[in-house]
Amino acid sequence: QVQLQESGPGVVKPSETLSLTCSVSGGSIISSSHYWGWIRQPPGKGLEWIGIIAYGGSPQYNPSLMSRVTISADTSKNLFSLRLESVTAADTAVYYCARQINMVRGVLISWYDPWGQGMLVSVSS
Amino acid sequence: QSVLTQPPSVSGAPGQRVTISCSGSSSNIGAGYDVHWYQQLPGTAPKLLIYGNKNRPSGVPDRFSGSKSGTSASLAISGLQAEDEADYYCQSSDTGLRGSLFGGGTRLTVL
Repeated sequence: QVQLQESGPGVVKPSETLSLTCSVSGGSIISSSHYWGWIRQPPGKGLEWIGIIAYGGSPQYNPSLMSRVTISADTSKNLFSLRLESVTAADTAVYYCARQINMVRGVLISWYDPWGQGMLVSVSS
Repeated sequence: QSVLTQPPSVSGAPGQRVTISCSGSSSNIGAGYDVHWYQQLPGTAPKLLIYGNKNRPSGVPDRFSGSKSGTSASLAISGLQAEDEADYYCQSSDTGLRGSLFGGGTRLTVL
């Protein structure tokens, strides 16, 4: 079955760029019915959707983060990545990658399964 | 403040039935977007519990059920067990957002 694993630095300095990678095993990111997404959760708080990327399509981002975020994919390595620029303490969170499953029924219906185990990234000097 | 509104907490005794609501609007749940539910046990990643309003992935007990009506959805858990103690999140989409949105989450306490 498909498994996802986040990796990257656990600490990033304020104003610098957060970079994470999600390695996918057990399935290919080249899929017409699946997108690949990032979701974060600040300590003690709820889930926040960051964005998604689809093979052959343009990434889509949360409007609140759009000016600072980039999601890209490397099909040769079967992974996708997150870059978040100019980070502040408010960006401290557990970052999850997840597979987005899609279905069209008038509108695009999407849900997330499976999820990676998550990676805590702290913004601190 | 989340666009999808959930109660911060619910509780119930073992064996009882509880429901968790997810209230949206005409631009998300009411626009025809399905609602999905996730269970997050302490210290773990969220796990898909219900998709497409009422469908259970393989392995999810039938004690968990979902429904949707109008601009709201509900997750019901019957025969409460201690291991159900977790945070529960609803998720949907919105016509004004080319992406997903999550409810604020509900903490279930089993008394």
